[in-house]
Amino acid sequence: GEDVEQSLFLSVREGDSSVINCTYTDSSSTYLYWYKQEPGAGLQLLTYIFSNMDMKQDQRLTVLLNKKDKHLSLRIADTQTGDSAIYFCVPRAYSGAGSYQLTFGKGTKLSVIP
Amino acid sequence: DSGVTQTPKHLITATGQRVTLRCSPRSGDLSVYWYQQSLDQGLQFLIQYYNGEERAKGNILERFSAQQFPDLHSELNLSSLELGDSALYFCASSYGTDQNIQYFGAGTRLSVL
Repeated sequence: GEDVEQSLFLSVREGDSSVINCTYTDSSSTYLYWYKQEPGAGLQLLTYIFSNMDMKQDQRLTVLLNKKDKHLSLRIADTQTGDSAIYFCVPRAYSGAGSYQLTFGKGTKLSVIP
Repeated sequence: DSGVTQTPKHLITATGQRVTLRCSPRSGDLSVYWYQQSLDQGLQFLIQYYNGEERAKGNILERFSAQQFPDLHSELNLSSLELGDSALYFCASSYGTDQNIQYFGAGTRLSVL
């Protein structure tokens, strides 16, 4: 099955850029999602990228995909204290018999220092 | 607000007991997914239902079972509870079968004492 690796912690100063990295193993992953989990809350879809794209920009968020190296990154520009949360890299891969499966990394806890 | 409702928010029970967690999906969504989030295992997919039928199975223990009712709400039943079952249980929903964009509820925190 798919394995997803992320750094567990990242600390940045308010106003700086944050870069959260992720590596995955299943090259057949078609969609790659980033979810955000704030304390005491469920997961919220932040953004996603199709596997045939290299980059996607969405306001302060930039997603970069290196399909050859199976590496995904999320850049948050001008990081704010409200961005403090856990960020999950989530590839979606075909699991056979017409089914797909999402695999969640352990998440990167982003702490923003005022 | 994702539109996915989970009840109860918190549940405290003892080992050996049985509990039921409930989930109402977003209006119009046919798929419901259950996940377990614990500190050591991260977020683990348990099971998916689509329009009342089991669609995909993940790391769900035999002591756990789920169902989806005709009104599309779902219940996750956990029995013979052990200390290690203490976790956050999330429900998510999506329109189709193919585990595309999922919308998550706020979760049920289960504490087994």
